[in-house]
Amino acid sequence: EDQVTQSPEALRLQEGESSSLNCSYTVSGLRGLFWYRQDPGKGPEFLFTLYSAGEEKEKERLKATLTKKESFLHITAPKPEDSATYLCAGGIGTGSARQLTFGSGTQLTVLP
Amino acid sequence: GAGVSQSPRYKVAKRGQDVALRCDPISGHVSLFWYQQALGQGPEFLTYFQNEAQLDKSGLPSDRFFAERPEGSVSTLKIQRTQQEDSAVYLCASSPGTGAETQYFGPGTRLLVL
Repeated sequence: EDQVTQSPEALRLQEGESSSLNCSYTVSGLRGLFWYRQDPGKGPEFLFTLYSAGEEKEKERLKATLTKKESFLHITAPKPEDSATYLCAGGIGTGSARQLTFGSGTQLTVLP
Repeated sequence: GAGVSQSPRYKVAKRGQDVALRCDPISGHVSLFWYQQALGQGPEFLTYFQNEAQLDKSGLPSDRFFAERPEGSVSTLKIQRTQQEDSAVYLCASSPGTGAETQYFGPGTRLLVL
């Protein structure tokens, strides 16, 4: 069964305290590993897509990496505005059937 | 350009009522997806359209759920005889093509069934 698991469920950091969020997956025929940010009352906002093991992508204070079994979202020197729920998802499906299988998210709180 | 839009943003329904949720995808996007998100959980796939064709409806929880995209742009998710367990946020996403591409999400419709 395709499954995406995120840890920790919640994380509280002091401003400037770097950390990493984990996303482990067992998805057959993985077609991309996606990271999204979701603020309360809003839809997920796209951050990164990774397609192959060893790939890395960066954007401001965020860096996403991918191995054959898991992905990490590294947050360097976070600010309070980075507080949100971070979702990862595996793209699955063959042929014309495609969907994202999401984890439950990591709720990040950055304290000033 | 404009992103994915959804309406209404909030809907309160009495148990047994029918509801219709609308999604306007990004102009020109071929693929359209519907997801259901329960409180504190990640979104769960409901159904997928490629243009006007519904190619995957494996995630629809029951035959009370019906989706259409008749002209290959705007889509409507209809829920008949709503139940309390249907209360959730319904998210629409679109992507430009049919490959393993990024899906762009709308703000969602929050449905509360009383």
